[in-house]
Amino acid sequence: RKEVEQDPGPFNVPEGATVAFNCTYSNSASQSFFWYRQDCRKEPKLLMSVYSSGNEDGRFTAQLNRASQYISLLIRDSKLSDSATYLCVVDNAGNNRKLIWGLGTSLAVNP
Amino acid sequence: EPEVTQTPSHQVTQMGQEVILRCVPISNHLYFYWYRQILGQKVEFLVSFYNNEISEKSEIFDDQFSVERPDGSNFTLKIRSTKLEDSAMYFCASRVVGATNEKLFFGSGTQLSVL
Repeated sequence: RKEVEQDPGPFNVPEGATVAFNCTYSNSASQSFFWYRQDCRKEPKLLMSVYSSGNEDGRFTAQLNRASQYISLLIRDSKLSDSATYLCVVDNAGNNRKLIWGLGTSLAVNP
Repeated sequence: EPEVTQTPSHQVTQMGQEVILRCVPISNHLYFYWYRQILGQKVEFLVSFYNNEISEKSEIFDDQFSVERPDGSNFTLKIRSTKLEDSAMYFCASRVVGATNEKLFFGSGTQLSVL
């Protein structure tokens, strides 16, 4: 099993749609979890950290399921500007010393 | 928002040449990192640096690679003898302390092309 695994997509959705991404991780002792967003040939940017209780930031909701070892990202009312690659990132060592990155899920929001 | 600055944005070099990639982390940050991303592949950790020494490095970070903080502001990655497979986007990142869930700030990257 890969350390961090994501469906690469691409996900093609119309504006206004709700879309969900899942990510599985192999290390049950993983400490912290993140979703980053990356635009083509740009640097990754933190979208949100993922907390055990789940967390929401505007149209974005992140969930963590430790028992099944996956995290999810839900985007509601998707915008054209949400088109990007969404990277699942797991910190196994604690304090972000060695983040493990997924390959990313590509999202295209169409008018 | 404060920024991590990387130069150059694009570096072209011949195989076997040495390259130095430069980064200026955010001024009050204490932890520094180099990551790389080969086109179409995932982001890979190379090395972390704290208190003027390497705190962790990956298998990729072999003897061809070195990092330095030559003064109070710059953080450099040197590749001694570049190989074709070193062609990638190299990202520098920094953060204040080593806390869990703390945000990592990335520079905009240096695209290294080895010919």
